[in-house]
Amino acid sequence: DQQVKQNSPSLSVQEGRISILNCDYTNSMFDYFLWYKKYPAEGPTFLISISSIKDKNEDGRFTVFLNKSAKHLSLHIVPSQPGDSAVYFCAASAGTSYDKVIFGPGTSLSVIP
Amino acid sequence: EAQVTQNPRYLITVTGKKLTVTCSQNMNHEYMSWYRQDPGLGLRQIYYSMNVEVTDKGDVPEGYKVSRKEKRNFPLILESPSPNQTSLYFCASSLGLAPETQYFGPGTRLLVL
Repeated sequence: DQQVKQNSPSLSVQEGRISILNCDYTNSMFDYFLWYKKYPAEGPTFLISISSIKDKNEDGRFTVFLNKSAKHLSLHIVPSQPGDSAVYFCAASAGTSYDKVIFGPGTSLSVIP
Repeated sequence: EAQVTQNPRYLITVTGKKLTVTCSQNMNHEYMSWYRQDPGLGLRQIYYSMNVEVTDKGDVPEGYKVSRKEKRNFPLILESPSPNQTSLYFCASSLGLAPETQYFGPGTRLLVL
């Protein structure tokens, strides 16, 4: 059973609007969460992270929200730009070591000009 | 330029024919990993290495071998490939254990007939 779920395989948003990507997890031991971005023919790159002691982390246009009671996190991109079109992977770990990270299946975001 | 390179980028082979996917990094990183990405499953770790001659199994090691004889190289070996190993493979390296510091290679798309 998947421990990290991204129930929307794809999402389309108009340029300038908000993109909201959602992620749910099942393992209550997870205490560190990350988002990665992946362009075609490239490897994933780290985007933003959040520790379980926080409920929000912001980096420029990107904000991650964590709701521990619901075991849910979301990535908000405001405003969305065409260059944001990519696959976004949610990931979670118990601890901050890379060998413990579990990835979700990804959401493909298309930002329409 | 800091990078992780993988060769080949695309490979079509037949069941049972041994193959090696090479991975090399030019950043003097201690830690290296191999992942496979499959539709609906995200990235899953195959093997990882925390130093020369030190390797450990990840979540899906069956059917794969690795070696770490030099710091910069971490080849992935499929001794007898099977169709269920058809996948997109990523190599990654990092200076430390923090997942945010991982550099991913561009990927190798493998088709086993």
